[in-house]
Amino acid sequence: QSVLTQPPSASGTPGQRVTISCSGSSSNIGINTVNWYQQLPGTAPKLLIYSNNKWPSGVPDRFSGSKSGTSASLAISGLQSEDEADYYCAAWDDSLNGPVFGGGTKLTVL
Amino acid sequence: VQLLESGGGLVQPGGSLRLSCAASGFSFRSYGMTWVRQAPGKGLEWVSGVSGSGGSTYYPDSVKGRFTISRDNSKNTVHLQMNSLRAEDTAMYYCARVGLGTYGMDVWGQGTTVTVTS
Repeated sequence: QSVLTQPPSASGTPGQRVTISCSGSSSNIGINTVNWYQQLPGTAPKLLIYSNNKWPSGVPDRFSGSKSGTSASLAISGLQSEDEADYYCAAWDDSLNGPVFGGGTKLTVL
Repeated sequence: VQLLESGGGLVQPGGSLRLSCAASGFSFRSYGMTWVRQAPGKGLEWVSGVSGSGGSTYYPDSVKGRFTISRDNSKNTVHLQMNSLRAEDTAMYYCARVGLGTYGMDVWGQGTTVTVTS
């Protein structure tokens, strides 16, 4: 059981906009920023969004993040086949004194 | 900028294993480092963190008292000593740099596999 809650799956067609939600609590998302990771099949995770809505170098702006209260969202616009991957949200948890992850959302591009 | 893990393998329950992560291409001592694992078909789980100086270490309850993270800034390496291993420790173990935002892991290694089985 993950500390952060994500839907197990999401899907969309090429060109579409999809969103993935991430729900936490007052000890993590409620008081700390959220990071998002993308894990392509058979590869290591990659930082996609940090500090709720910032892009690491090289990440296209088709990916965007937002946060409100104890929830966060990742939006992917102009969906492409290469976006098919697992997506994880993460945040520091002050009660656990460490980072916590969501269970991951498997994105399928139809 | 690169991280390269090593040391994974097959071990019996109750046994020990030491993972290593060699860093290159950045000022190693300026960054915290962390280990994250992923059990087969499962999600990501943080298992340890260490500050840039090595003076502070962090663990979740699931591994506290069994795992020890350490770093050698003279050799640009971070280690994870794993003792009293259990079947549920079976996973791919990733080394990652803590570099952006609040604990944003911005550089990852390719991972090393640990299998705990009798």
